[in-house]
Amino acid sequence: EDQVTQSPEALRLQEGESSSLNCSYTVSGLRGLFWYRQDPGKGPEFLFTLYSAGEEKEKERLKATLTKKESFLHITAPKPEDSATYLCAVQAPRDDKIIFGKGTRLHILP
Amino acid sequence: DAGITQSPRHKVTETGTPVTLRCHQTENHRYMYWYRQDPGHGLRLIHYSYGVKDTDKGEVSDGYSVSRSKTEDFLLTLESATSSQTSVYFCAIGRQGQETQYFGPGTRLLVL
Repeated sequence: EDQVTQSPEALRLQEGESSSLNCSYTVSGLRGLFWYRQDPGKGPEFLFTLYSAGEEKEKERLKATLTKKESFLHITAPKPEDSATYLCAVQAPRDDKIIFGKGTRLHILP
Repeated sequence: DAGITQSPRHKVTETGTPVTLRCHQTENHRYMYWYRQDPGHGLRLIHYSYGVKDTDKGEVSDGYSVSRSKTEDFLLTLESATSSQTSVYFCAIGRQGQETQYFGPGTRLLVL
């Protein structure tokens, strides 16, 4: 069964304290891996799409990387406004559906 | 929210009543999706559409039906609402099934 597991479930960091969020998946023949940010009471906001192992994408303080079994979302020198839930999702080759992980709740303390 | 609106944004209803949620897009994307989001479960696909009048089931489709008579509108109907359908419902759109999905602002539904 295709699965997406995100860890940790929650993470509290001090402002400026860099860290990484993990997304591991069991989908074979990955077509795409997606990262989203979700603020409370809002819909998920698209961040990155990764397609192949070794690929990296960056946006401001965020960098997403992909291997054959997992993806990392690296957060460098985070600010309180980076506090949100970060969602990972993968697409299998068989159909048009996307499988979401349960997310990591990130809280950056000032 | 990438030209996606959902209505209503909040709704309270009673068990056994039918409920219809609407998703409207101005992006002319072919694919449209309905998800529900619940604590401990993350986002789960209910139904999706890959064109006008073309729809398919997702992971949690029981008790839900959908219709798409125009490219821009995708309706989700709870035929007889139950308390287990209390959730936040998100609509998403995509140009093709393989590409990034963009989400609407969500509808909070409470079934009493």
